[in-house]
Amino acid sequence: KNQVEQSPQSLIILEGKNCTLQCNYTVSPFSNLRWYKQDTGRGPVSLTIMTFSENTKSNGRYTATLDADTKQSSLHITASQLSDSASYICVALKTSYDKVIFGPGTSLSVIP
Amino acid sequence: NAGVTQTPKFQVLKTGQSMTLQCAQDMNHNSMYWYRQDPGMGLRLIYYSASEGTTDKGEVPNGYNVSRLNKREFSLRLESAAPSQTSVYFCASSDPGLQGGYGYTFGSGTRLTVV
Repeated sequence: KNQVEQSPQSLIILEGKNCTLQCNYTVSPFSNLRWYKQDTGRGPVSLTIMTFSENTKSNGRYTATLDADTKQSSLHITASQLSDSASYICVALKTSYDKVIFGPGTSLSVIP
Repeated sequence: NAGVTQTPKFQVLKTGQSMTLQCAQDMNHNSMYWYRQDPGMGLRLIYYSASEGTTDKGEVPNGYNVSRLNKREFSLRLESAAPSQTSVYFCASSDPGLQGGYGYTFGSGTRLTVV
């Protein structure tokens, strides 16, 4: 079954601290993986995209990693800011282009 | 550059009522989509339109209809709303490729409550 799982479900961290969010996928055949950030009351916005041949991609303080062998990805946030409070969604795309599978998201709260 | 615009932002319906959610994009994208987002679940595809003049069912199409009015606009209609359709609805567009291969641009969502 094609699915994307994310952990933890929610996370609270202090401003300035780092954190890592996890994503496991069972999508096959796999094409690429994206991380989206969704602020409360807004639509998701793309942070990074990685194909199966890439193992890391950065976007400012956000760094995504991908291990296509173990079908795992992580999103590392460095020096968190209050504006990082959001839901982070992992999305896997099948090679055949006929299926995009969204994970349920990790809700991150950054507190002062 | 507005991106993807959805209306309305909020709506309350009584069971059995009908309504149409509107979506317009100004990025000249070929593909447009309607998703619903429910608590604890990933976004689920309702319908999509790979290009102007075509529409196809997604994962959860029952109870919905769509119209690709032109390249810019893609509407979602609930003919007879049910409480199970209470959700947040997102419209998205992408190009090139189908199913967001090169990344979606999402609207800000419509929060629908059916009582």
